Amino acid sequence: DIQMTQSPSTLSASVGDKVTITCRASQSISSWLAWYQQKPGKAPKLLIYKASSLESGVPSRFSGSGSGTEFTLTISSLQPDDFATYYCQQYDTYPYTFGQGTKLEIK
Amino acid sequence: EVQLVESGGGLVQPGRSLRLSCAASGFTFDDYAMHWVRQAPGKGLEWVSGIRSNSGRIAYADSVKGRFSISRDNAKNSLYLQMNSLRTEDTALYYCAKDDGSGSYVFDYWGQGTLVTVSS
Repeated sequence: DIQMTQSPSTLSASVGDKVTITCRASQSISSWLAWYQQKPGKAPKLLIYKASSLESGVPSRFSGSGSGTEFTLTISSLQPDDFATYYCQQYDTYPYTFGQGTKLEIK
Repeated sequence: EVQLVESGGGLVQPGRSLRLSCAASGFTFDDYAMHWVRQAPGKGLEWVSGIRSNSGRIAYADSVKGRFSISRDNAKNSLYLQMNSLRTEDTALYYCAKDDGSGSYVFDYWGQGTLVTVSS
């Protein structure tokens, strides 16, 4: 199975900060990577697909990049609504695995 | 508006069975693959199973293969997950998720989940 490793596991930041979350795959997944946001008690929400394509309705402060084995999710200017847990997911190879999550906390 | 509403969760003893349902609305159900994704309490996400729009292709995670069975009824806009031989490690919130249309296992809409607790 392809292992997806996110770093950091927890990130403390302030409103207005630029933050970056990294996701590494144990083997190349081309650009077949998605990012999700999950708030406590809520279902995940799709933010980014195909590594860098922004899902409709997602604010443009979110962006994704990378290919192969290393990917990043960047939030250009944190808003109060962005404090949540973020997951990456590879969909290159069965089984379609998720990272362990990065919890973004208010500093 | 896309809506996915799961039901059928509950407390069940190890070795017993449970059937989850997902009622879909707000989109043309039989045009899209559908999936089940679970989340153990306080843990991350795990894809469980997926089914193509015409049920022509079905896939399972190794952790549930041979015990769980996914199906759909396009006439009823419904997705199902039959879970047999349940184990304590199957305890989780089970989400129904819609494929984004590319058939590539990207999940663009999720239900709110139904909780399955396996315990004696």
